Amino acid sequence: QVQLVQSGAEVKKPGSSVRVSCRTSGASFNTYIVAWLRQAPGQGLEWMGKIVPIVGVGDKAHKFQGRVTFTADKSTSTAYMDLSSLTSADTAVYYCARETSQGYFDFWGQGSPVIVSS
Amino acid sequence: EIVLTQSPDTVSLSPGEGATLSCRASQSVSSRWVAWYQQKPGQTPRLLIYGASNRATGIPDRFSGSGSGTDFTLTISRVEPEDFAVYYCQQYAASRTFGQGTKVEMK
Repeated sequence: QVQLVQSGAEVKKPGSSVRVSCRTSGASFNTYIVAWLRQAPGQGLEWMGKIVPIVGVGDKAHKFQGRVTFTADKSTSTAYMDLSSLTSADTAVYYCARETSQGYFDFWGQGSPVIVSS
Repeated sequence: EIVLTQSPDTVSLSPGEGATLSCRASQSVSSRWVAWYQQKPGQTPRLLIYGASNRATGIPDRFSGSGSGTDFTLTISRVEPEDFAVYYCQQYAASRTFGQGTKVEMK
């Protein structure tokens, strides 16, 4: 049973950074592509990028270039998303998901709310 | 970037009625690389359809997907009470983008 379990809610000040973790189980971490997506309140879904843990490289949506970093710890089967220079526009629920080799998302974490407020 | 536009924004139905949800792409989506997701309030999105017409594991056969090129459709043959939710299409031919969603609400 594939599972992705994310870290809890965060409240951050504008200009600061946030780290969200995503612990995986139920399949070899070496077979994963971990994607990161977000959903602002009342809005749709937005793909931020992905990481391939076995090689430690991935891809980022153009919008987040220079502001987001994806890493993975193979020893704990955990992926991380770091987002810097936060503004109120970054207030959202952040999801990790398993991205298939084709590019759709078959298993999702439960979501991590991030609130950016002064 | 491929922009996906879903219609309608909201559809009101009674249980047992059929639903047809549309997803139009700003340019052709190669290899029919379109997926559909269902999201209920406060819940995580759930994969319904991938490859435009393939049902994901455990998805009831009242859900079906079709289409090619720039026009894709999700059909719910007979809406059940648990189907009231927001539905999103996604393309994965060029990066990954989502439509804005269609809300299926109870009439």
